[in-house]
Amino acid sequence: GENVEQHPSTLSVQEGDSAVIKCTYSDSASNYFPWYKQELGKRPQLIIDIRSNVGEKKDQRIAVTLNKTAKHFSLHITETQPEDSAVYFCAATPADNFNKFYFGSGTKLNVKP
Amino acid sequence: DTGVSQDPRHKITKRGQNVTFRCDPISEHNRLYWYRQTLGQGPEFLTYFQNEAQLEKSRLLSDRFSAERPKGSFSTLEIQRTEQGDSAMYLCASSLDWPNPRYGYTFGSGTRLTVV
Repeated sequence: GENVEQHPSTLSVQEGDSAVIKCTYSDSASNYFPWYKQELGKRPQLIIDIRSNVGEKKDQRIAVTLNKTAKHFSLHITETQPEDSAVYFCAATPADNFNKFYFGSGTKLNVKP
Repeated sequence: DTGVSQDPRHKITKRGQNVTFRCDPISEHNRLYWYRQTLGQGPEFLTYFQNEAQLEKSRLLSDRFSAERPKGSFSTLEIQRTEQGDSAMYLCASSLDWPNPRYGYTFGSGTRLTVV
């Protein structure tokens, strides 16, 4: 099955700086890559996703890039704010099975005011 | 409809007891999923329903676990003879069919199970 690895496990940035979280996947057939934000004790919430037919997608301060050849994708958050502090999870799903996601182990982002 | 609802939010049980969790998906969503999340890890897939049919089960879902979605609406997850290793957050999610542009894979807030 698919294996998703996520780095770093923790990331501390100063408010206003950028943050980058990277994920790699193993199954070249995967073609949908969502990113979820999970605050302490709350549900994972979808913040952005990308399908394999595009290389980049942006939504205000958040962007995701995908390199299918290298099998990695990254989350970029610009102008970070304290409310961006949370755990972020990447996920991948194989083309023939859009019934489950394979998640990375998460990145705890701390934005210092 | 405000999203995926799960009940209870927290459950403490003694080892060996049975527990049952409930998930109410977004009403228009025909797909429903159960995941397990342990501390410091990403969610791990347990099982999936398309309407009332359970179409896939993970190897994580031992014989002590059973899930149902009798009328294609809400779902229940039962754990029999609980063990301490069952302690985790149990997350439910729902979605429309892929590749609907409103696919909308949405998680509930989860049920946190503690087995003592």
